[in-house]
Amino acid sequence: DAKTTQPPSMDCAEGRAANLPCNHSTISGNEYVYWYRQIHSQGPQYIIHGLKNNETNEMASLIITEDRKSSTLILPHATLRDTAVYYCIGHRSSNYKLTFGKGTLLTVNP
Amino acid sequence: GAGVSQSPSNKVTEKGKDVELRCDPISGHTALYWYRQSLGQGLEFLIYFQGNSAPDKSGLPSDRFSAERTGGSVSTLTIQRTQQEDSAVYLCASSSPPGGYTFGSGTRLTVV
Repeated sequence: DAKTTQPPSMDCAEGRAANLPCNHSTISGNEYVYWYRQIHSQGPQYIIHGLKNNETNEMASLIITEDRKSSTLILPHATLRDTAVYYCIGHRSSNYKLTFGKGTLLTVNP
Repeated sequence: GAGVSQSPSNKVTEKGKDVELRCDPISGHTALYWYRQSLGQGLEFLIYFQGNSAPDKSGLPSDRFSAERTGGSVSTLTIQRTQQEDSAVYLCASSSPPGGYTFGSGTRLTVV
């Protein structure tokens, strides 16, 4: 898996957009960018993934730079329940040994 | 079902006893994984099943651990002669690559 770098923590006001950055400058051409989160005492939750193009689903949007060296996860209207550790992974879909780094602790404040 | 279901959600067992953990993956997902997570630690890969292929058991920490997947669906992780260091949250996930993994809520195993 590609090495990723994320800020250790971020704060966001409830109702505002949360923009979580991730650097993955060594990502290879066949590695997808995946985002997961883990809320305290729960299993990891898949959020979104992409290869080259920006992606959007019901949970979030993923913006990948043209050179693929970084990406941003956007939660458009953060709620208190979005408080969690967010993990960015550069990962080949054929590599099933998932490894999470330290991630970003996002705290959504009222 | 709509998600990955694991049972039991909590299990307290005496050292030396055997335990069985069950995972019901999402219908249609060909890949099934077992991981464990100790308190404050990252994910530790245990075993991977993909369709009818031989499973990758390279992550199992000892021969006390075994897993099977029947009919390409339900999986059981068995730990024999449990030890205190086996205490952890055991997570099952399934996927249909390259889609992301859907994790279950886990089984919290405590060996006393």
